[in-house]
Amino acid sequence: GAVVSQHPSWVICKSGTSVKIECRSLDFQATTMFWYRQFPKQSLMLMATSNEGSKATYEQGVEKDKFLINHASLTLSTLTVTSAHPEDSSFYICSAPVTGGGNPEAFFGQGTRLTVV
Amino acid sequence: GDSVTQMEGPVTLSEEAFLTINCTYTATGYPSLFWYVQYPGEGLQLLLKATKADDKGSNKGFEATYRKETTSFHLEKGSVQVSDSAVYFCALSGRAAGNKLTFGGGTRVLVKP
Repeated sequence: GAVVSQHPSWVICKSGTSVKIECRSLDFQATTMFWYRQFPKQSLMLMATSNEGSKATYEQGVEKDKFLINHASLTLSTLTVTSAHPEDSSFYICSAPVTGGGNPEAFFGQGTRLTVV
Repeated sequence: GDSVTQMEGPVTLSEEAFLTINCTYTATGYPSLFWYVQYPGEGLQLLLKATKADDKGSNKGFEATYRKETTSFHLEKGSVQVSDSAVYFCALSGRAAGNKLTFGGGTRVLVKP
């Protein structure tokens, strides 16, 4: 199947700093990527839809100025957590759908565990 | 909007026991249905999927059948192993929602030797 690579897999940062998370589709092009957030022992919540060549679409309640998304190319989307605070500590996962002549299938990155201290 | 409801865990089983995780959904149109598995400290992996009514998805001994009449997609495995210990997520995706995935709350399964 298709491969989505997410980097870094874990990061620890100080409060007030910014952290960038990359999501790459390695063997296919993705005009759309999705960013999810997962709190401990909870389900995944969609944060935003990243669109190549246009602005990201954010879900209700997600601060777009805090979670900056850039879809720089057909294989790369980045999520930047700006001025991070401890409450931003979470597991962030990206996914990209592969639409190959039928219903699309989503492939997920490995996830990034962010800890803000 | 679309939603997925799955049984809460944790589910604790002995090895070789039968596993069922219930999942029901509400959605407009005809969504695709998925089961994802998340092993400790890892991202999500697609376990199986079904794209239309009466389809049966299967993988690694797990099965789930797309039941449109009951809007369900229950996951089953006849004989679990310790290595099946993980969190299982039921999800749906529909073109009406731009192919975004809507997840259930997840069910933690612990298989004891």
